Amino acid sequence: DAKTTQPTSMDCAEGRAANLPCNHSTISGNEYVYWYRQIHSQGPQYIIHGLKNNETNEMASLIITEDRKSSTLILPHATLRDTAVYYCIVRQTNTGNQFYFGTGTSLTVIP
Amino acid sequence: KAGVTQTPRYLIKTRGQQVTLSCSPISGHRSVSWYQQTPGQGLQFLFEYFSETQRNKGNFPGRFSGRQFSNSRSEMNVSTLELGDSALYLCASSLGPMAGNTIYFGEGSWLTVV
Repeated sequence: DAKTTQPTSMDCAEGRAANLPCNHSTISGNEYVYWYRQIHSQGPQYIIHGLKNNETNEMASLIITEDRKSSTLILPHATLRDTAVYYCIVRQTNTGNQFYFGTGTSLTVIP
Repeated sequence: KAGVTQTPRYLIKTRGQQVTLSCSPISGHRSVSWYQQTPGQGLQFLFEYFSETQRNKGNFPGRFSGRQFSNSRSEMNVSTLELGDSALYLCASSLGPMAGNTIYFGEGSWLTVV
């Protein structure tokens, strides 16, 4: 079963921040939250991951709530090239590289 | 640093044939996993290898198999191809299976079964 819940689709104006929510209410204390995105016909691209603390890299910021039951991926200044399907994944510690991707959020950046 | 390399990128096979797909992980990465992506089922985990040993296997029939070599390169094989095997097959690699190790995906191999 899916361990995360994401909206099916979202729109964002170019240049504005895109905030993509993810619910993972059953997350365990040692499970990581990973975000990937997939542009049509390409392999998934790693964006960011976190365990408890908020994280930021050159692509995005990840905000994890204190109870860890939800998180938000923030793309600070969305561009047309950010149009993609975004996957929020809870990575279990005992299943190695086995990800359950779910259906993700289809983000469309509008000019 | 080169990324995950998959070959071939595109191929067409006939029902009943078999196919072998190859994956070269990022240098230094010892874990390799495989995924199948179809429009109907999305991204589904096939199997994972670490140090030449299969660690996990997804819910796929025995026609799907894989292996990993001592240099961490991996191959997956699908025998007796069916039309439903048409999909994008993705390989991913990481330093190891620990949850904090980031997994990086290749661009995939597009398989069409006719």
